[in-house]
Parts: sequence; C-alpha cells; structure tokens
Amino acid sequence: AQTVTQSQPEMSVQEAETVTLSCTYDTSENNYYLFWYKQPPSRQMILVIRQEAYKQQNATENRFSVNFQKAAKSFSLKISDSQLGDTAMYFCAFMKRRGGSEKLVFGKGTKLTVNP
Amino acid sequence: NAGVTQTPKFRVLKTGQSMTLLCAQDMNHEYMYWYRQDPGMGLRLIHYSVGEGTTAKGEVPDGYNVSRLKKQNFLLGLESAAPSQTSVYFCASSETQGGIYEQYFGPGTRLTVT
Repeated sequence: AQTVTQSQPEMSVQEAETVTLSCTYDTSENNYYLFWYKQPPSRQMILVIRQEAYKQQNATENRFSVNFQKAAKSFSLKISDSQLGDTAMYFCAFMKRRGGSEKLVFGKGTKLTVNP
Repeated sequence: NAGVTQTPKFRVLKTGQSMTLLCAQDMNHEYMYWYRQDPGMGLRLIHYSVGEGTTAKGEVPDGYNVSRLKKQNFLLGLESAAPSQTSVYFCASSETQGGIYEQYFGPGTRLTVT
C-alpha cells in the first residue's frame, strides 16, 4: 500500500518570503501522479500543482513549484513571494496511474501560516 | 456550472440515527469518491464509484453504504450513526479521459454524532 508522509505539521513564513513544504511517499509503482492540494479556512480543497512521475521536469504554476526527486521518493512544494492568502493546510497526495479508480492517498497535511 | 455540490453542509445526529449525504456533479464525470477528514489527518477514502451502477470500498468503508443510481449523483449512507463517524465528509469527482486525473472536490459536510 502507498503511504504519504508530511513531516512538518506546522510552518510559518513572512509575507513575500519563500517557504518549502516537504513530502515523501512510499510506493513500488513506477507510473503515478503526485499532487499538492490547498485547504484554506473555507475548507474547500483546491488543487495547487500536479506532477506526473514519468516527467523529469519539475512542475510549476506561477509562484508554486515542486522539487520532484523520484529515486528519493520526495515531492516538496516551494511557494515563492508568499502572500497572506496562502495561509492554509497543504496536503500532498499520491495516485497510481493505472486504470480502474485513480484513488488519492493523502498525507496528514502541513498547516502554513503567512505572517504580515 | 456548479461543479460538485454536497447536501447538507452541516448535520447533527444522535447515536443510532441514520442519514444520507448527497453529492451531485454537473461535469459528466465517470468517477466519484467519498472521503472523510478527521483532525490531524488527511482525507481518507470511504467508497468510490467508477461509473453509474458501480461502487467499491475504499480505505475506511465500515459503517457506510453508497449508491450510484445516476451518473451525476453519489449517495453516502450511515445506517446507525456512531460518535466515531463525527467528521467532515468530502465528495469528489474526476474524469480521466485524456490523462487529466484531477479530482474536483465539493465544499464538505460537517457531521457531528452525539
């Protein structure tokens, strides 16, 4: 079974600075997807960024980028120029790339606070 | 286009009562999921469906039943609620055609069982 570990329960950063959230996972699969979801106080789950394991290039979405190290099974999220609206829970998630269900396995989350 | 909606948003039940949570999506997605989120935990999969008329167990299915009679709806039932089922419940849907693999989540239902 796949497991996802987020070792930082809470983090804080000053507005406009850069922060990196860590995620490691355990799997014997070779083809899979990795995701970072954001959950603000509104509780809505919002997809931040997605990485396909077969792609060596790290995904980027505006201020958000990942450092995907497949051999190390590591998938960290970097948020540049942090904004107050980035304050939220961040969840790392794993999905096997195999037809049938595409189920997500989530880590326990990191609570990020951006301070003014 | 409302995306994924959930009814109700909040509910309080007494132990032993039953209820049904409704999830609806208007994106014509094949796959639908029910997750629960507990404090200090990520989301855990309860049941899922890969198409109309199909359901399957996820990671934590005990105490829940589901039905997918229509493609756009996915119902989660609690036959005899227990305090351990106090949680926030999320529904999601996804379309995997073209390799998208993104799940769209509803706003959640906060359920308290006393």
